[in-house]
Amino acid sequence: DVKVTQSSRYLVKRTGEKVFLECVQDMDHENMFWYRQDPGLGLRLIYFSYDVKMKEKGDIPEGYSVSREKKERFSLILESASTNQTSMYLCASLGLGFTDTQYFGPGTRLTVL
Amino acid sequence: GEDVEQSLFLSVREGDSSVINCTYTDSSSTYLYWYKQEPGAGLQLLTYIFSNMDMKQDQRLTVLLNKKDKHLSLRIADTQTGDSAIYFCAEFSGGADGLTFGKGTHLIIQP
Repeated sequence: DVKVTQSSRYLVKRTGEKVFLECVQDMDHENMFWYRQDPGLGLRLIYFSYDVKMKEKGDIPEGYSVSREKKERFSLILESASTNQTSMYLCASLGLGFTDTQYFGPGTRLTVL
Repeated sequence: GEDVEQSLFLSVREGDSSVINCTYTDSSSTYLYWYKQEPGAGLQLLTYIFSNMDMKQDQRLTVLLNKKDKHLSLRIADTQTGDSAIYFCAEFSGGADGLTFGKGTHLIIQP
């Protein structure tokens, strides 16, 4: 079974803090994604990566950066957290091949005070 | 860009069938998916259908695809309280940016 794990289920940070959200997948997938989920807005893609050290902006990259130093790990960084970044953050991975699909981690609920 | 639309809420009585509908715009979609998200949890893949299929059945779940109208539906037979969740429709056309998701349909079960 594919496993996508995220470093924290719940996180509380203060405005201005630097925040790291870690995601690890164990299926050797090439593609990894970070989404945020907010009521009424569905899933919005922040960044994705299709290979080590490669990254692409999604729909809402402002205020975020990412790091993919190893294939299995994709980190989302909030350089200076703000209250409007309070949200549920979901990581996903996707392999290559016709029967593959995106597998999601359990999510990190981040609250910025 | 591609778009996936679905209703935000659906309310059904326990024991009835639920039908969640979804429309999409990308005619090059290869796979279409249904994900389930229970409160406080991540997204769990429920089922998927390849674009050259019309129907797929898996126990209480039936997926219908009308490729001409770009319409996908998920039918849950004998809906139970454990089916209460948000259901996301998604399509994949092979792009590096992954799946395109709808905003999710909240399925509310009334006793």
